Amino acid sequence: SQQGEEDPQALSIQEGENATMNCSYKTSINNLQWYRQNSGRGLVHLILIRSNEREKHSGRLRVTLDTSKKSSSLLITASRAADTASYFCATDASGSRLTFGEGTQLTVNP
Amino acid sequence: DADVTQTPRNRITKTGKRIMLECSQTKGHDRMYWYRQDPGLGLRLIYYSFDVKDINKGEISDGYSVSRQAQAKFSLSLESAIPNQTALYFCATSDPAGDGKETQYFGPGTRLLVL
Repeated sequence: SQQGEEDPQALSIQEGENATMNCSYKTSINNLQWYRQNSGRGLVHLILIRSNEREKHSGRLRVTLDTSKKSSSLLITASRAADTASYFCATDASGSRLTFGEGTQLTVNP
Repeated sequence: DADVTQTPRNRITKTGKRIMLECSQTKGHDRMYWYRQDPGLGLRLIYYSFDVKDINKGEISDGYSVSRQAQAKFSLSLESAIPNQTALYFCATSDPAGDGKETQYFGPGTRLLVL
């Protein structure tokens, strides 16, 4: 089964609103990463947070990690129509491979 | 030019045929990966390679084989394609020595349809 499970599966918001996606996982990790995928295209790395970090920012992205709850959240602030995509969390438990969640489909309406 | 390229981008084949998907990278990374993605699902790891002499099975390797011909090339073969191998296939690379060593870089994908 997938290490990462994301919630919600789909999210639809208006431009300018914030979007929050959550990821839960099952085992101890070295780091957790978030990737973005535009329809039918390759994944693009967004941000990485290590197991000893609690929060990280990159532009309009904010990621939190709670290792006690084995969960992470990705917040996209002031969303734009161009943010419409699928977002995946991926966990690195071994330092050698990633395990991906099933993704959240985000739609930002103009 | 793209750092990670995949050929072909789209392929239609028949059950029982042997096909090869190719991946090339110009990033100079040692690590390469093959994933498959099914509609509405995340990526599942098929095989991965940490250098030319290293090949490792992922979580769904049955029905697939790989060849690491050079640091820059990693091919995925379906020896006898079956319909449930219809999926979107991605190649990815990573650099264990770099600052972002855990980050993976993906190709554009190959869409495979097995009839």
